[in-house]
Amino acid sequence: KAGVTQTPRYLIKTRGQQVTLSCSPISGHRSVSWYQQTPGQGLQFLFEYFSETQRNKGNFPGRFSGRQFSNSRSEMNVSTLELGDSALYLCASSWGTGGVSLEQYFGPGTRLTVT
Amino acid sequence: AQSVTQLDSQVPVFEEAPVELRCNYSSSVSVYLFWYVQYPNQGLQLLLKYLSGSTLVESINGFEAEFNKSQTSFHLRKPSVHISDTAEYFCAVSELRSASKIIFGSGTRLSIRP
Repeated sequence: KAGVTQTPRYLIKTRGQQVTLSCSPISGHRSVSWYQQTPGQGLQFLFEYFSETQRNKGNFPGRFSGRQFSNSRSEMNVSTLELGDSALYLCASSWGTGGVSLEQYFGPGTRLTVT
Repeated sequence: AQSVTQLDSQVPVFEEAPVELRCNYSSSVSVYLFWYVQYPNQGLQLLLKYLSGSTLVESINGFEAEFNKSQTSFHLRKPSVHISDTAEYFCAVSELRSASKIIFGSGTRLSIRP
């Protein structure tokens, strides 16, 4: 079974631009979560989608948004990029959203650099 | 809101020595607890998890963690470490009512000396 895939793996953008990152979960997984990892703030939860609905949201500004498609693939979008958005963005998928179904499998991440 | 504190940012140990990575959490409700590991230049992998039942949980590579509700701790231990255990370890917590919102600690970098 293929793992979680994220595209692109590396991205360089300029301040003020917007960016879209993509995540394909493990086949059969319906939940996709997004995290931001930085040296200063560590791993921070962005949001989680299950069956095309956002179920949980972290404490990030509205510039960060996401969506999930009917095939469970998910995208996250960051508008008006700031230098502080430079980070490793990790996507994780799981079969469900609670209890024993909550075993998240992480992708390799997308390294975003904002200049 | 829940939070996780990993008390040591770095832990150096000699090969074959025992190790304990400390983790304390804060939450007003029942929680799930996790340890994740991130090897150099790799993604996060789930090491072990506590959902319910026995408070002692074990991983396939010799790590174990014990859920202590009274001390709100979930320390990770291994009786004898190997060079291949060199990695960053993250403790994490989620509340039962929003289980997929996982809050991570700041991580502990475990370095093994030969």
